[in-house]
Amino acid sequence: KQEVTQIPAALSVPEGENLVLNCSFTDSAIYNLQWFRQDPGKGLTSLLLIQSSQREQTSGRLNASLDKSSGRSTLYIAASQPGDSATYLCAVVLEGDYKLSFGAGTTVTVRA
Amino acid sequence: AAGVIQSPRHLIKEKRETATLKCYPIPRHDTVYWYQQGPGQDPQFLISFYEKMQSDKGSIPDRFSAQQFSDYHSELNMSSLELGDSALYFCASSSRDRGATNEKLFFGSGTQLSVL
Repeated sequence: KQEVTQIPAALSVPEGENLVLNCSFTDSAIYNLQWFRQDPGKGLTSLLLIQSSQREQTSGRLNASLDKSSGRSTLYIAASQPGDSATYLCAVVLEGDYKLSFGAGTTVTVRA
Repeated sequence: AAGVIQSPRHLIKEKRETATLKCYPIPRHDTVYWYQQGPGQDPQFLISFYEKMQSDKGSIPDRFSAQQFSDYHSELNMSSLELGDSALYFCASSSRDRGATNEKLFFGSGTQLSVL
């Protein structure tokens, strides 16, 4: 069974600092990996999707890297803003499968 | 752009009652997924449908059932509700075309179920 771990569980930084969120997974036979943002009591917003053949994806201030062989992905958020405060979840899809397996998330607080 | 629509947004039920949650996927998406997210927990996969047929089953209790209809909307039926069923229930949709450039799962805003 795929286990997805996110470290740290919570992170608090001052505005302007860069954020580094880590995700690891036990089964490296993944098809793709997605990073999501979730605000309290709200739905999941997809941020970035990385195919297993890719090493990184970028969108604005967000950059996600993938090292499939070591079972790791990192989400970088540059120049953090208070509006970035949320829980960030990573989720993977295994080869031959379609459903997502989620990590527990990293809750980020950006202090103004 | 159209998103995944879930209804109702909030639902309050008593123990042992039944509840029905509805999900309308993004047009032309052929797969629907249901997830349950307890307080402070990560989303747990319940069940999925591909082209109106059940395609995968996760940790869904026997008290729950789901189906996908001819118009591709899906309903999650929950009976004999228990306090522990209180959670945020998400529906997501995607396309299984593995040649598609965008295979993201798109999530609805969820239904917050409270069992009293």
